[in-house]
Order: sequence, then structure tokens, then C-alpha cells
Amino acid sequence: QKEVEQDPGPLSVPEGAIVSLNCTYSNSAFQYFMWYRQYSRKGPELLMYTYSSGNKEDGRFTAQVDKSSKYISLFIRDSQPSDSATYLCAMSDRGNNRLAFGKGNQVVVIP
Amino acid sequence: DAGITQSPRYKITETGRQVTLMCHQTWSHSYMFWYRQDLGHGLRLIYYSAAADITDKGEVPDGYVVSRSKTENFPLTLESATRSQTSVYFCASQDSGRGPGELFFGEGSRLTVL
Repeated sequence: QKEVEQDPGPLSVPEGAIVSLNCTYSNSAFQYFMWYRQYSRKGPELLMYTYSSGNKEDGRFTAQVDKSSKYISLFIRDSQPSDSATYLCAMSDRGNNRLAFGKGNQVVVIP
Repeated sequence: DAGITQSPRYKITETGRQVTLMCHQTWSHSYMFWYRQDLGHGLRLIYYSAAADITDKGEVPDGYVVSRSKTENFPLTLESATRSQTSVYFCASQDSGRGPGELFFGEGSRLTVL
């Protein structure tokens, strides 16, 4: 079993819809949880960063972490065509700079 | 411009040839990483470095060599390229004062091995 599981999709939604993405993981030592966004033919860029459990909101983006269920989520409200990208979850344990990445979830927002 | 740059962006080579991918960052970040990205596998860590002259293996190091004589440079060498090394390679850096996982990625180097 891979440490991090992420359904690769792709996911197509109409503009203005809510996008819901999630990852599950097996390593209970993970404490740092990230979402990266990657546009086509570009490098990933950090979108959301969360430590431990709870929610974090940044504009139209909300990241949720449920450590008891080993489950993390990313929600995009009022989705825009510019949100069309691949979203990768990543996580790490304390003091470890070796991230475990999900395979990425391609999102297409249709105008 | 400040940031992290990779070169070449595109490279076609033949089996058995040596290839070096360059990575340069202007932030003086302590940590640097090399990942490869393949369909069905996502991002996999090849090598990383915590500081100049300190390197360590990642998940898929076989067939690759790295060095880090200067903080700002972290070249990745394929000593004898194989078709299975056809991939997109990403270099990343991280400031030691930031939390684990706050990486800054380059734009990638697309390598094709014929």
C-alpha cells in the first residue's frame, strides 16, 4: 500500500461549482499536510499548508485535515477556469523533509 | 531574477549517454531536492541535500549521481541514460527556517532517452 493515496481523476466541473479533492494516508506520524497546484508544463507551487488537524481557509480555498481518519481534503469554492490544473497532496512527519506525494488529481473547470 | 532555474528545459539523448541536468537557486536555501514525475507514479524523490557537501538518497536513486559543492547549485547526472529514465525532472529548494514541505519548484526538465 502506498503511503498516500489520491484518486487521479480527471475531474470536470462547470464554472462556479465547488471542487472537492481528497487524499488518504497510512502513516500516522504525518503531521504536516500540503496541497500543491501544478499547471500544465509547469512546476508544482505550494497552495495550502496545514499543521496537524483542523481547517485552514485562504480565499476560495479550504484545506481540511482529519488525522483520526487519516484523510485530508481540499475544497475550491466558486471555481474558475484558471483553477484548471493538477492538484497534488503531500505530507511529512516532524523533522523530515522527505515528502510523500499523492499521484495528483487533474481538475478541469469548464466555462 | 530571483528563484530556482533548471536547464536544459528539454533534452533528447540516446541510451548509454551521460546527461547532466542543472539546478540553480538564488535564495541560498539550505535544502535542495531532485524529483522525477511520471504518469501513474506522481512525484518521486531521487536525491536531496541538506547543505553544501551533504547529500542523501531518496526513493529512486539508482542510475543517478548528485553533487553540491555550492549552496546554490545542485546538478543531477545520469551516468548512462536508459529509456526508463525518460521523465520530467523537477528541482526544488526549501529554506531551513520554514516548515517541512514548503518547497519551491523549478519549471522542470523534460528528458527523453531514445
